[in-house]
Formats: sequence, structure tokens, C-alpha cells
Amino acid sequence: DQQVKQNSPSLSVQEGRISILNCDYTNSMFDYFLWYKKYPAEGPTFLISISSIKDKNEDGRFTVFLNKSAKHLSLHIVPSQPGDSAVYFCAASGTGNQFYFGTGTSLTVIP
Amino acid sequence: DAGVTQSPTHLIKTRGQQVTLRCSPKSGHDTVSWYQQALGQGPQFIFQYYEEEERQRGNFPDRFSGHQFPNYSSELNVNALLLGDSALYLCASSSPGQGAANYGYTFGSGTRLTVV
Repeated sequence: DQQVKQNSPSLSVQEGRISILNCDYTNSMFDYFLWYKKYPAEGPTFLISISSIKDKNEDGRFTVFLNKSAKHLSLHIVPSQPGDSAVYFCAASGTGNQFYFGTGTSLTVIP
Repeated sequence: DAGVTQSPTHLIKTRGQQVTLRCSPKSGHDTVSWYQQALGQGPQFIFQYYEEEERQRGNFPDRFSGHQFPNYSSELNVNALLLGDSALYLCASSSPGQGAANYGYTFGSGTRLTVV
């Protein structure tokens, strides 16, 4: 039962352009949403979060948008840089303890 | 500042055996969560330990058990190993002051378990 879905396994973007990574969820009880970045042979690294009381959160080049009615969130990276090439996971939780992760989207930023 | 440390990094075990994985949380963190990441999948929550007790458990059988020590380090034990237990096991820590809900976990690099 996949409660968090990332339907795009991979994405390629030119350096300097916008990267948009998408995530859908099914559980309306989820209140906390996070994005992680993962490089090979390393654990995931926290990027940015948003709670259900907000619809947007920005941190530098990273912005997360939440559409609760559509049960959809997205991560925007502007401008994209080659160092952003990694696998990106979205995660969601109702309690803040147990997180459900998507299957990840592999982003390649082409110089 | 040492992050989350996991040992060993790689492990090969035979079906039916038992395994113990270890985790030291980031300094200042007191909550440890364990996740299993199968190939091509996202991490799946196994359980979380806080104050030396299992606070929450995911959908994993009783073959998976854990422990947290007074210094906040943790162990994950898996009994009667199955081929399907082959995965990357990730340990993640968080602090009460900066909860995972808003500040995320700090993950270790994981232990790659192969069951043959």
C-alpha cells in the first residue's frame, strides 16, 4: 500500500533552468511533508519541509508547494545546478514519528 | 560534528541466521528510527526508539526487534533471516528540540545487508 507516490523515476534539466519534482499522497491525515536528497553511498539528507497549515515554504533555491485538496506536493529548484544531481525523496507523516517515503526521482542537471 | 554512525557498512548472512546492526545517533539527538530500503524503493519505517523504549512500529514482523541504550545508541536485530530481508538499513536520529516533522531526520549511510 503505497501512500506516497513519486510517479517520475527520473528527470533531466539544463543547468540554470527550473527543476520540478512531484509527489502525490493518499492519506488525508498526513500533516508533515519533507523532501530529502540522496547521493550514492550516502544516507538521505533533509532539504525542506512544509506542514499542512501552509501551502508554500521557501529556502534559498528550494521551494515546496502543498496542494492539500489535490493531495499533491512539489519541489521547485531554481536555478538548477549540476551539484543538485541526486535522487530526491518526498516523505509524509501524520504524527511526525513514522514517515512514509516515495520511491524517489533521480534528477540529472546537465551542464 | 559526527553525524549518525552505522556499523557494519556491509554484511552477508545466510538464510535463517540472525543479525545485529548498530547505530550511534548524532550528538544531541535522543530519538532513533530505523528504516529498510529495498532496491528501487523508498525507505520503509521499521520502528522508532525514544527513552529506551519502542515508541512506534511500522508494518514489520516480530523477527525485527530493537534496543536503545542509555547513551541513545541503538541496535536493530533481525532473526530467522529471509532472502527478502536483503536491503539497505538506514538509521536516523532526531532531537526533541528540533523534531523530525519540521527539521527532518539525520540519516546514517546505512548498512547493506545481503541474505544468501
